[in-house]
This record gives sequence, structure tokens and C-alpha cells, in this order.
Amino acid sequence: QVQLQESGPGLVKPSETLSLTCGVSGYSISSGYYWGWIRQPPGKGLEWIGSGHHSGSTDYNPSLKSRVTIFVDTRNNQVSLRLSSVTAADTAVYFCARLNYNSGSVDPWGQGTLVTVSS
Amino acid sequence: SYELSQPLSVSVALGQTAMITCGGNNVGSKNVQWYQQKPGQAPVLVIYRDSYRPSEIPERFSGSNSGNTATLTISTAQAGDEADYYCQVWDSSTVIFGGGTKLTVL
Repeated sequence: QVQLQESGPGLVKPSETLSLTCGVSGYSISSGYYWGWIRQPPGKGLEWIGSGHHSGSTDYNPSLKSRVTIFVDTRNNQVSLRLSSVTAADTAVYFCARLNYNSGSVDPWGQGTLVTVSS
Repeated sequence: SYELSQPLSVSVALGQTAMITCGGNNVGSKNVQWYQQKPGQAPVLVIYRDSYRPSEIPERFSGSNSGNTATLTISTAQAGDEADYYCQVWDSSTVIFGGGTKLTVL
């Protein structure tokens, strides 16, 4: 059974860089699939941040592209997210998930981690 | 950029059928997925490729997609179905979510 677990600081200062890691168990990410990040501001809907593949290919939400980097780390079987120059608008629960391009589905998801941007 | 529109809220009486729509330009040409999210939890996939159910999802959940509208149907609604529901598609290598619909079971 594939399981994903997000980790990282719960508090980030404005203008700094948000860094999160998603540990994957039960599946080798070098075997395939895309791996991505989705966020959800408090009380709001889901927003796709971006996705990465072990080949090095990445896709990003155009609205965030200039600030986002996703890295698929096959050595440690994890996926990382970096979001630079954060503001209060980046406060959200951040989820990592597996993306199946063939079926179109996002499944499974990690439990999510709340990141608050505040001084 | 591609957009998906959902009603903010839908209500259904206990034991009746709920229908949640997801509108998008020619969405019928895309694979639509549906997710259920309960408070404080991660979303759970309930329908993929328009109408397929993961094995752990009850048969009461079904989906359809044609023209400009995809629909999630929940028959014999139960109190445990009360949640937010999101539709989702891929468009040009990007993942698009609808704004979400809050389902209330009365």
C-alpha cells in the first residue's frame, strides 16, 4: 500500500522560502508515475502547485511557476517542494500526492501539513 | 486557462439521490475525477475516468460526463456522505480542480 507523508516547518517568515518533503513508502518512485503537490488555503478549495517525474520532467501551475521548484529524489524515495518569496497568501495545508497521467487521477494523498506564513 | 465550475452547495434528504455538477468547455472530451474531502482530512478519490470507482468506494457513487457537464451522483445518501466534493481534469499537462461543492445531508 502506497503511503505519503509530508514534513517540514509549520511556520515560515514572509519573503523566505517554504521547503517541504514528501516521504513515499510502499512504492519506488523511480518505477513511474508523476508526484505532485497540491495546497488548500484555510476554508478554500484545492490548488495544484506542480508535479515531477523521476526522469526530471516537471510541470508547474502557471500562476506559481516563477516561485516553485519540485524535485523527485529517487535516492531517498521522496519528493520535495520549494516555494520562494512567500507571503501570507501562501498560508495553506500542503498535500503531496501521486498523479496517474493515464487515468488522470490524483491518488493517494498524504495527510497534509499546515504551513503558516507569518513574521 | 481551463476552468471548472461547481455549485457552492447541494442539499439532499437522507436516503435520496444527490447530483453534483462540474461544468467546463467540452469537458466531455476529458477524463473527469471526483474527490470527497471531509473536515480535517485529505481528499479521497471516489470516481476516475468519468465513471470508474476505486474498489473501496461504495456502488452508491457513480459518475457521468458528456458535452459541457460532468456529474457525480450519490444514491441513497447517508449522513457519512456529507463532505466537500471536487471535480478534477488534466489540461495541457496541468491539473485543474473545480471550486468544490459542499454536500449537506438533511
